[in-house]
Amino acid sequence: GAVVSQHPSWVICKSGTSVKIECRSLDFQATTMFWYRQFPKQSLMLMATSNEGSKATYEQGVEKDKFLINHASLTLSTLTVTSAHPEDSSFYICSARDYLSSYEQYFGPGTRLTVT
Amino acid sequence: GESVGLHLPTLSVQEGDNSIINCAYSNSASDYFIWYKQESGKGPQFIIDIRSNMDKRQGQRVTVLLNKTVKHLSLQIAATQPGDSAVYFCAENGNSGGYQKVTFGTGTKLQVIP
Repeated sequence: GAVVSQHPSWVICKSGTSVKIECRSLDFQATTMFWYRQFPKQSLMLMATSNEGSKATYEQGVEKDKFLINHASLTLSTLTVTSAHPEDSSFYICSARDYLSSYEQYFGPGTRLTVT
Repeated sequence: GESVGLHLPTLSVQEGDNSIINCAYSNSASDYFIWYKQESGKGPQFIIDIRSNMDKRQGQRVTVLLNKTVKHLSLQIAATQPGDSAVYFCAENGNSGGYQKVTFGTGTKLQVIP
């Protein structure tokens, strides 16, 4: 149980285009989902917290107009990187918190974004 | 600001030996701590957690120790195996800005020597 999937697992896009990454909780309902970014050999940095049915809360320094987050249902959150640039190339990881638990988070496998 | 840090960036251990990975945290209000294992190109994998009202918790081959006095967390892996080779992150859960969020430490790479 407690599986989180991400799609796509990897994506290559051209500079200036937008790309959408999906995060799904497969066997539980997630009122809260988190989006992280991880550069090579670095830690996971929280970008934003997404609550179902409300606006996402972005961490300091993360542009909300560039990284659009939508959490339209209890099993799906999407992250759209708009007008992508090579510096946005990174490993994007989502996690989901079961609405029955206030602590445990379950992580997705990550999405590798490469912007050329 | 609030942060979670690690003392050692890389740890090499002989197969069969015990491993100890350390972590220092600075947010005294954090109430829940987690250790994750991350293999290359994959998402973090939950290993073990501990709540702030405990000082020790054991799992299968792993033990987490929490010392709130000095804000220190450690992960002990018994009889380390080649499959344990990965990057290990400690993480803390705390209330920030009115909501719960998890902050990750910098990570320690564990290399198991066969």
